[in-house]
Amino acid sequence: DSGVTQTPKHLITATGQRVTLRCSPRSGDLSVYWYQQSLDQGLQFLIQYYNGEERAKGNILERFSAQQFPDLHSELNLSSLELGDSALYFCASSVVMQSEAFFGQGTRLTVV
Amino acid sequence: GQNIDQPTEMTATEGAIVQINCTYQTSGFNGLFWYQQHAGEAPTFLSYNVLDGLEEKGRFSSFLSRSKGYSYLLLKELQMKDSASYLCAVRDQTGANNLFFGTGTRLTVIP
Repeated sequence: DSGVTQTPKHLITATGQRVTLRCSPRSGDLSVYWYQQSLDQGLQFLIQYYNGEERAKGNILERFSAQQFPDLHSELNLSSLELGDSALYFCASSVVMQSEAFFGQGTRLTVV
Repeated sequence: GQNIDQPTEMTATEGAIVQINCTYQTSGFNGLFWYQQHAGEAPTFLSYNVLDGLEEKGRFSSFLSRSKGYSYLLLKELQMKDSASYLCAVRDQTGANNLFFGTGTRLTVIP
């Protein structure tokens, strides 16, 4: 157990819908990262937060947004969902931006 | 930008030694990480190199050459449970110290 908690573990939803994925980082970790992993693909960096502020954006679609709250948990919002958005979404956290990141168990999103 | 290359697949025999290579190009190198990922599960941290040389941790060792943009992960005394994907990741300080991952090497350990 890495100490990073993601909910829900599984999510099935229809095209066009909106979902929210939640991440609680390890205690004391200030940095949160979101990654998308499609079937047999590598981890694609989406977005990073540090202590409540957005620090970097990767290949994140405009339909996706995220935020980190004062208690440091983070949410990833995915809207106008398409079949191609089906993937594993991982959250990771680290103490500071330079240290190793620890991953949650992921949310498996299936869009039907 | 970042460019990270690893072999897609490797097969090795139980009890043997296997070396998984990773080459990278990045503008603001600030560390190289290796993660293990079993199918459908979270990546788990294995090792971290920021200076040249070898880091040993039990059956796993990782090597880094910054001048060559090269790293390898060495797994000794392979066990069946080592069958997994091994992800090489580079931290880039020009990208807010983000971790950028290669596509991973799928290792199959056979009896």
